[in-house]
Amino acid sequence: QKEVEQNSGPLSVPEGAIASLNCTYSDRGSQSFFWYRQYSGKSPELIMSIYSNGDKEDGRFTAQLNKASQYVSLLIRDSQPSDSATYLCAPERTGGGNKLTFGTGTQLKVEL
Amino acid sequence: EPEVTQTPSHQVTQMGQEVILRCVPISNHLYFYWYRQILGQKVEFLVSFYNNEISEKSEIFDDQFSVERPDGSNFTLKIRSTKLEDSAMYFCASSPAAEQYFGPGTRLTVT
Repeated sequence: QKEVEQNSGPLSVPEGAIASLNCTYSDRGSQSFFWYRQYSGKSPELIMSIYSNGDKEDGRFTAQLNKASQYVSLLIRDSQPSDSATYLCAPERTGGGNKLTFGTGTQLKVEL
Repeated sequence: EPEVTQTPSHQVTQMGQEVILRCVPISNHLYFYWYRQILGQKVEFLVSFYNNEISEKSEIFDDQFSVERPDGSNFTLKIRSTKLEDSAMYFCASSPAAEQYFGPGTRLTVT
């Protein structure tokens, strides 16, 4: 079982629609969860963090966490062409080195 | 807004040579990291560093790799004898506590 699983996509949505990105993880010791956006050839950019079960909203982004199901998701409302990128899910096991374990990412394409 | 910076942006080296990749973390951050991403693959953790010592390292981070914080601002990754398979983007990240902020990366090409 992979440590972090994401659908690689591409996920295509029309401009203005809601994009839904999903992630499952295997390490039950993970306490913190992060979503990064990575444009081609660029570094990961932190867009959302979530630490407890439930929803967390920040602008057009909503992160959802269900630790019992080992599932975290990211919703992007009113998708824009500039949202086209690869979205990386990264759980973190708190303590020790606090390393992030990245999934392979989901490629999102927002079409005009 | 403060950013993590990395130099050089691109480094070409011959197999067997030593390279040093440099990073300036965000000031007042306490935790420092190196990750790498081979072209087309996922971002992989290499090492974390806190209070002037390594907190955790991955299996990739073998004896050929070392990290150092030589002064109050720089954080370096040294690869002693580069191999072809070390060709990748190397990202430095820093964190005040939980959230990690990445630098722009150094593309290392080993020929």
